[in-house]
Amino acid sequence: QTVVTQEPSLTVSPGGTVTLTCASSTGAVTSGNYPNWFQQKPGQVPRALIYSTSNKHSWTPARFSGSLLGGKAALTLSGVQPEDEADYYCLLFYGGTQLWVFGGGTKLTVL
Amino acid sequence: EVQLVESGGDLVQPGGSLRLSCAASGFPFNIYWMHWVRQAPGQGLVWVSRVNTDGRTTYADSVKGRFDVSRDNSKNTLYLQMNSLRVEDTAVYYCVRLEPDTVTTDYWGQGTLVTVSS
Repeated sequence: QTVVTQEPSLTVSPGGTVTLTCASSTGAVTSGNYPNWFQQKPGQVPRALIYSTSNKHSWTPARFSGSLLGGKAALTLSGVQPEDEADYYCLLFYGGTQLWVFGGGTKLTVL
Repeated sequence: EVQLVESGGDLVQPGGSLRLSCAASGFPFNIYWMHWVRQAPGQGLVWVSRVNTDGRTTYADSVKGRFDVSRDNSKNTLYLQMNSLRVEDTAVYYCVRLEPDTVTTDYWGQGTLVTVSS
């Protein structure tokens, strides 16, 4: 059973920078896992932010960026805004099994 | 405008069956893969299944053998047949679009609630 692990919670000050990570129990996350990132605010439908590691959707604010960092997928928020307070989920693809797995999510608090 | 509208969620007893539908519009449904994703109350997102354009499917271990995803490209509709339902299947079920060339998961439906309880 493949497990994808994210930080359960992080806190950042307005205007600050924070990096959320996404690790795989099978080893290093690579571009072949096509990491996707999603934001979900309370009571709302998840919204896609990043696809294929680092690509932004047309609606993704410029302060969000994706990368690979130390064997993990990473989502960095630079110049955090109060409205960025939300749950963030990563999604990884495993080509060998053709399965997808979400991380457990990171609750980001802006304080 | 891309729209995904799920329906079919209901209260069902353990061991029962239910079929969810997802009506797609605003894009060429036949060239996109589709996911089903679920979220139990107060919990995180869980990937359930994926169907390719030609109907090939994959499933999470937790639903394999009980759930069956299908699509009717002539009706622009995605389905999820859920059998042998368990209390732990209680969740909001979302259909989600997947662009196969860039492996992009982008648009989500609003979700439909399935409650499994006696």
